[in-house]
Amino acid sequence: NAGVTQTPKFRILKIGQSMTLQCAQDMNHNYMYWYRQDPGMGLKLIYYSVGAGITDKGEVPNGYNVSRSTTEDFPLRLELAAPSQTSVYFCASSPGLAGFSYNEQFFGPGTRLTVL
Amino acid sequence: GQQVMQIPQYQHVQEGEDFTTYCNSSTTLSNIQWYKQRPGGHPVFLIQLVKSGEVKKQKRLTFQFGEAKKNSSLHITATQTTDVGTYFCNAGGTSYGKLTFGQGTILTVHP
Repeated sequence: NAGVTQTPKFRILKIGQSMTLQCAQDMNHNYMYWYRQDPGMGLKLIYYSVGAGITDKGEVPNGYNVSRSTTEDFPLRLELAAPSQTSVYFCASSPGLAGFSYNEQFFGPGTRLTVL
Repeated sequence: GQQVMQIPQYQHVQEGEDFTTYCNSSTTLSNIQWYKQRPGGHPVFLIQLVKSGEVKKQKRLTFQFGEAKKNSSLHITATQTTDVGTYFCNAGGTSYGKLTFGQGTILTVHP
């Protein structure tokens, strides 16, 4: 199994450009997440999905959009990139709930995005 | 939303010293997970605690979940340079919803 894969690994965008960060998992996990991590900081949840066709906002969703048409893929769309979106973006997946608690999250290697 | 405070933000230790990071919530948690992120890497799952007062050990690492399920700690005995990285807690609330990551503790180990 490849686990969670993310593309691209690095990207430089100009202000106002758009792009899609790709995320795929081959573990048949229902839950998928997008986080951003600014230098020296923690992980902030952008969007998450509990299954194909179901998405919900995290704590920092502004400027981003997601879709979940299949169990495997969870792309993150940046519209009109701004310097404040310079960050490392991590995608993660999880089997989801196990009773009343959550299963572990498996993270991808991340995408380093710079907006100039 | 759920607030999770993790302290300290930074910790510098000499190799061989002990290290502890704490995760505190104002609300009761259903479970708590701990992750480690090496410099330049991605978070990797270490352990999950579910029961009140639960204690789990992994070699030199000891994880505790408070009796009231509002706080947790990760303790490393006799740190090594391989322990360098950022340690995060990830907490789940009692109502259905998403988990919340703490801000992380950055551990530096001086040889």
